[in-house]
Amino acid sequence: GAGVSQSPSNKVTEKGKDVELRCDPISGHTALYWYRQSLGQGLEFLIYFQGNSAPDKSGLPSDRFSAERTGGSVSTLTIQRTQQEDSAVYLCASSLLLKRGQPQHFGDGTRLSIL
Amino acid sequence: QKEVEQNSGPLSVPEGAIASLNCTYSDRGSQSFFWYRQYSGKSPELIMSIYSNGDKEDGRFTAQLNKASQYVSLLIRDSQPSDSATYLCAMLTGFQKLVFGTGTRLLVSP
Repeated sequence: GAGVSQSPSNKVTEKGKDVELRCDPISGHTALYWYRQSLGQGLEFLIYFQGNSAPDKSGLPSDRFSAERTGGSVSTLTIQRTQQEDSAVYLCASSLLLKRGQPQHFGDGTRLSIL
Repeated sequence: QKEVEQNSGPLSVPEGAIASLNCTYSDRGSQSFFWYRQYSGKSPELIMSIYSNGDKEDGRFTAQLNKASQYVSLLIRDSQPSDSATYLCAMLTGFQKLVFGTGTRLLVSP
């Protein structure tokens, strides 16, 4: 498809389990971003990739969160030892990186529920 | 902490009216601002981007930026019930990090 693709769309897991969330950006977009949106909260920046490197990881809430990107395309966000406060919608976005301020386009998100 | 402030609403307008959505921001150095529309249960959809002081028009939407006063607004002319959604204001900080407001819920009644 032409847009940002995320999988799974929904994930329910038990507290303490690890989860992996996947993002496939728009073809040709070199920049990739992860955000999360908790119930009633605004979107919260997690991490930004330029190619395969992550110049800005400042939003990762704890060392249980990690992300990687390979081949300048697909990215995986991993949450280890999940906690109930990790329940949120995790959104991925991508953009061109021709200059600062390129608009970011979002995928449909992964709704993560921790029991 | 760099912030974006929006009134949570709901802002209620009748069909055909002009809806005016406002946002203030704290980072005086920010140069890029965006409006996203988010329907319930859906992901944010980019509506407008604005980088310079003044107005930018696109169809029924007009974005306004005033850097001196640190506010951004979005006007929706001829509002339709399908415009009912939450509108998110975002500013760019650093190189590519977006900081979002919590959104204003717009309700357009037929």
